[in-house]
Amino acid sequence: DTGVSQDPRHKITKRGQNVTFRCDPISEHNRLYWYRQTLGQGPEFLTYFQNEAQLEKSRLLSDRFSAERPKGSFSTLEIQRTEQGDSAMYLCASSPGGAGIGTEAFFGQGTRLTVV
Amino acid sequence: AQSVSQHNHHVILSEAASLELGCNYSYGGTVNLFWYVQYPGQHLQLLLKYFSGDPLVKGIKGFEAEFIKSKFSFNLRKPSVQWSDTAEYFCAVNAPGGGADGLTFGKGTHLIIQP
Repeated sequence: DTGVSQDPRHKITKRGQNVTFRCDPISEHNRLYWYRQTLGQGPEFLTYFQNEAQLEKSRLLSDRFSAERPKGSFSTLEIQRTEQGDSAMYLCASSPGGAGIGTEAFFGQGTRLTVV
Repeated sequence: AQSVSQHNHHVILSEAASLELGCNYSYGGTVNLFWYVQYPGQHLQLLLKYFSGDPLVKGIKGFEAEFIKSKFSFNLRKPSVQWSDTAEYFCAVNAPGGGADGLTFGKGTHLIIQP
């Protein structure tokens, strides 16, 4: 499968625990995005990488959230000290575009996080 | 910052009916516009996109959208819907080079096609 892959698909965690999600983009796509989607809403942009550089972060990305893309390939999104409000679908997307070029983003299936 | 407004949150149509889903965005500069679809249990997929040129763009599965710059609109249309078009539809915008490379999505329209 050459699409965007996310792992795990589902995660249930207790409040206060840390969680980490992984995203493998489409090979050779140099842009990688993280979004969060809650019930009844459209996806909300969190952050994006151009290769290994994190170029843009949303105000939604509190200091409990951190994202990395150490080698410019896969990315991880970590949430520390999870809260019930963090329950959502976390989506990853990738695109081949360079800076200033409009290209479409390809989305993964998402990781559904439930904080109990 | 840009925003996207989708006017219809739930739409129910019969097969063969015509469809138009409204989308308006707010941003003063150059934008790229997208419609994504999410079928039940599946990931978001691109229906169509507008970057520049002809404001009437055609996408997959018989969908089209028209960019009207003066109205800041990018409405999605299909002349005759099918039961398989039942899905969630999202309008999205970004402004590459304007510090907003990530997509801003509308809240979505849940479309149900009755056989």
